[in-house]
Amino acid sequence: EVQLVQSAAEMKQPGESLKISCKASGYTFASHWIGWVRQMPGKGLEWMGVIFPRDSDTRYGPSFQGQVTMSVDTSVNTAYLQWVRLEASDTAMYFCARQMGDYFDFWGQGTLVTVSS
Amino acid sequence: DIQLTQSPSFLSASVGDRVTITCRASHDISNFLAWYQQKPGKAPKLLIYSASTLQSGVPSTFSGSGSGTEFTLTITSLQPEDFATFYCQQLDSYPYTFGQGTKLEIK
Repeated sequence: EVQLVQSAAEMKQPGESLKISCKASGYTFASHWIGWVRQMPGKGLEWMGVIFPRDSDTRYGPSFQGQVTMSVDTSVNTAYLQWVRLEASDTAMYFCARQMGDYFDFWGQGTLVTVSS
Repeated sequence: DIQLTQSPSFLSASVGDRVTITCRASHDISNFLAWYQQKPGKAPKLLIYSASTLQSGVPSTFSGSGSGTEFTLTITSLQPEDFATFYCQQLDSYPYTFGQGTKLEIK
């Protein structure tokens, strides 16, 4: 059974760093792109980017290029999303999802990130 | 970037109704379009991919059609569990943009 399990909710202060995770199981992790999607409170879905675990090829959405870093560790079948300096505007739910051709078929449960002083 | 515009943004309907949601793309995306359903506090769920292919396990009351720049999601005979927010997404070219969403509420 394919599963994507994300790390727990985080509460951070502005300026802090953060790395959240998405652990995959039930399929060949290295063979499928993993995407990240942001959902700000009460808002719609925003595509952040994708990473291909086999070679760490990444594609970022224009609004997220330089703001976050996607990475993977294939030894533990886990994808990561990282911030160096959080801002209040980073407060959102973040989802990871497996890309299967021209769709995202399995999604993580989401990680809520709250940035507040 | 390819822009996706959904209409309507809000839709009120009754159990048993048939509803249609439209997604228009700013450029030709062939059939590289997916539809998702999202309930409050939950992850999106894939309904339709390649514009018209029903994802395994999704009821046949859901259907998708279209190609190029205009697409529709139709739900026949609405059930109580169908009320949610629906999003289209294009996967023709990066960035893989989403529509702004359509919230389907019970009348």
